[in-house]
Amino acid sequence: GQQVMQIPQYQHVQEGEDFTTYCNSSTTLSNIQWYKQRPGGHPVFLIQLVKSGEVKKQKRLTFQFGEAKKNSSLHITATQTTDVGTYFCAGWDSGTYKYIFGTGTRLKVLA
Amino acid sequence: EADIYQTPRYLVIGTGKKITLECSQTMGHDKMYWYQQDPGMELHLIHYSYGVNSTEKGDLSSESTVSRIRTEHFPLTLESARPSHTSQYLCASSGPTDYTFGSGTRLTVV
Repeated sequence: GQQVMQIPQYQHVQEGEDFTTYCNSSTTLSNIQWYKQRPGGHPVFLIQLVKSGEVKKQKRLTFQFGEAKKNSSLHITATQTTDVGTYFCAGWDSGTYKYIFGTGTRLKVLA
Repeated sequence: EADIYQTPRYLVIGTGKKITLECSQTMGHDKMYWYQQDPGMELHLIHYSYGVNSTEKGDLSSESTVSRIRTEHFPLTLESARPSHTSQYLCASSGPTDYTFGSGTRLTVV
């Protein structure tokens, strides 16, 4: 079946270090969204990428959508304790039009 | 303000009780969803609806049921709660370019 895997599953970093999470889909996605979920909270929309090879930046966050529209990455530069949470990618499958969430990457930032 | 609302925010109930988790959105979205999520874990789709009188089961088997009589309202019902139903339940709705979650209901069955 359709799968969207994220790696790593968990990541602990020292404050100030960089962090990257990778999102890999078994099928082509028409677009991709990224969400952040704080502990005890609900997923909050961060950004959407639509075009093949698209790169978008939000302050310390850089998002990239792969050329084949099957993978994506989120890179955080110089992490802060406020970056703690679980980051999910999600996207609409081009063939089935189902919305699929990735497995998530839980980030802990050590002060 | 257009948004999606879930009530209650927290709920503790006894085994065997019937409960309904409420979800309403004011964005006019046709598509609505229910997810089950244990703390820090994946989101599991349990029900979805693409419009009034349309409901489908999601990827995760669930003993809950849903109804969609009005566009804005998508309640989820557990006929007989069990401790294994203890989890967070998240409602979401989507438009052409946006996907919004409610704040969730944290359910504990004792």
